[in-house]
Amino acid sequence: NAGVMQNPRHLVRRRGQEARLRCSPMKGHSHVYWYRQLPEEGLKFMVYLQKENIIDESGMPKERFSAEFPKEGPSILRIQQVVRGDSAAYFCASSQTGYNTEAFFGQGTRLTVV
Amino acid sequence: QQQVKQSPQSLIVQKGGISIINCAYENTAFDYFPWYQQFPGKGPALLIAIRPDVSEKKEGRFTISFNKSAKQFSLHIMDSQPGDSATYFCAASEPGTYKYIFGTGTRLKVLA
Repeated sequence: NAGVMQNPRHLVRRRGQEARLRCSPMKGHSHVYWYRQLPEEGLKFMVYLQKENIIDESGMPKERFSAEFPKEGPSILRIQQVVRGDSAAYFCASSQTGYNTEAFFGQGTRLTVV
Repeated sequence: QQQVKQSPQSLIVQKGGISIINCAYENTAFDYFPWYQQFPGKGPALLIAIRPDVSEKKEGRFTISFNKSAKQFSLHIMDSQPGDSATYFCAASEPGTYKYIFGTGTRLKVLA
């Protein structure tokens, strides 16, 4: 039973380009969360999605960031016009139910903006 | 109120020793407290978790102690091994929510 799969593992983008990060949840999980981890810091919640719905995006910057979790396929975190401050590790987690439950994390995508 | 304060920032322990990491919170509504272990270049992995209706939970060499009145919880790693060298994060969440509030992490190094 595969865990949470994220790709790519490493992504380098020039300032102004777009970054697309993908997350396939564990089998049977329909709840996905994205967290961002800056160097030497803890993880910060960004967004929570269920299939085809954004439930809570309170942790996501209002501009340039968007997320989706379509009926078919992985969840996508999209960052438009990246800036150096977007360089971080982005982790996706999934769970079976949405509330107060165990969440399993993927290995992350390390985004570097040059 | 939403913060979880974690200490120490880094910890060095001899092989076979006990590693202790502490976390404190303000929000009394938190009712789920997981600990995650993260190796360099990897994602956080759930280690052990506790709810406030118990004061202690043990799984193998890992124990969570929970003090509801003090709003503190801690992770104890008994018989620490070099393979335990990693960064440990405590977290908390409220009932009916899905957001984890993470501590800032403790980098543990166990010397052989």
